[in-house]
Amino acid sequence: EADIYQTPRYLVIGTGKKITLECSQTMGHDKMYWYQQDPGMELHLIHYSYGVNSTEKGDLSSESTVSRIRTEHFPLTLESARPSHTSQYLCASSEWDNARNEQYFGPGTRLTVT
Amino acid sequence: GNSVTQMEGPVTLSEEAFLTINCTYTATGYPSLFWYVQYPGEGLQLLLKATKADDKGSNKGFEATYRKETTSFHLEKGSVQVSDSAVYFCALRYSSASKIIFGSGTRLSIRP
Repeated sequence: EADIYQTPRYLVIGTGKKITLECSQTMGHDKMYWYQQDPGMELHLIHYSYGVNSTEKGDLSSESTVSRIRTEHFPLTLESARPSHTSQYLCASSEWDNARNEQYFGPGTRLTVT
Repeated sequence: GNSVTQMEGPVTLSEEAFLTINCTYTATGYPSLFWYVQYPGEGLQLLLKATKADDKGSNKGFEATYRKETTSFHLEKGSVQVSDSAVYFCALRYSSASKIIFGSGTRLSIRP
């Protein structure tokens, strides 16, 4: 069973607020990822990290930022939330060593910006 | 480039029907192939995987065979249940340094 956690599970917030979505894993994985999932279900990679102090932008441009100060923690921050940020955000992690390793996903945070 | 194409949904079946969800891929080299499932309100879970040609992944009555000659990894189940209603994602990963590439997802609904 995957040990990857996301908080909060649901968040409704007003425009202009700063928010941080938390993601933690207890598996010691080096690689971590953030995906944005639109209502049509498609997953878009917005950030990833290969280890501490490593962060990269994903395939979909995002106004959010991430940090990786500790192996187990990969928070995502929106400095000023807008209605266009309303979406489901999924965090994932995987081991480094080979291509056979799958990603483990957290339960997601459903964000609504009003 | 590397990509995954899967059957568009939604797919609606009656309980105990046979299920096939098609998935084809384009990749350099020899990728690993995965099927993930997402139940309502949850994140994705690995359903099964295959890491080389002719491998068959199986779990919970679902099966998929890695077919290099047709670059396919179709998901099948002989008799679906209402509890199988979910979104299914086909995915590939082609090296230890690469990200996983996901298909667009197929929503499956099973009628009692």
